[in-house]
Amino acid sequence: NAGVTQTPKFQVLKTGQSMTLQCAQDMNHNSMYWYRQDPGMGLRLIYYSASEGTTDKGEVPNGYNVSRLNKREFSLRLESAAPSQTSVYFCASSLGGNREQYFGPGTRLTVT
Amino acid sequence: GENVEQHPSTLSVQEGDSAVIKCTYSDSASNYFPWYKQELGKRPQLIIDIRSNVGEKKDQRIAVTLNKTAKHFSLHITETQPEDSAVYFCAASDTGRRALTFGSGTRLQVQP
Repeated sequence: NAGVTQTPKFQVLKTGQSMTLQCAQDMNHNSMYWYRQDPGMGLRLIYYSASEGTTDKGEVPNGYNVSRLNKREFSLRLESAAPSQTSVYFCASSLGGNREQYFGPGTRLTVT
Repeated sequence: GENVEQHPSTLSVQEGDSAVIKCTYSDSASNYFPWYKQELGKRPQLIIDIRSNVGEKKDQRIAVTLNKTAKHFSLHITETQPEDSAVYFCAASDTGRRALTFGSGTRLQVQP
């Protein structure tokens, strides 16, 4: 089992460009999550999908959109990147909201 | 939604000493409290968790205690070793969002 995988590992964007971060899990988990991690700020929830076919806003959703493509895949889209979106992005999955979350390796995004 | 506060933000101990990290939460309905360890450049990984029907849980050198009345929980690491050096995050289940809310993290440095 690969667990949770994310692509790309690194990305540099110019302000205003768009991109999609991909996430996939092979653990048959119901719930998937996108976090951003900034120094001193911990892990902040951007969007989550409690089950296939549903998505909900987290703590910091502005500037992002998500798609739960199927049970395995959950993508995060930046429509018009801003320097404030420079961060490390982690995808995670779990069986449910109060169960262990398994994290992907992260994507380091720089917006210039 | 849930709010989790974590202290201290940094902690330095001598090898062999104990380390204690404390968290408080706001939602009395929260019932799941995990702790994650994140080594430099790596993904967060679960090290121990506790549910609200239990007051204490141990796993070798690590233990977690939960005080539901006071709404706080703590991570205890005994006989610290250099490989315990990492950032530790506490989290609490957010029953409204069916997700986890993370604390801001504690950077633990174990001096050999």
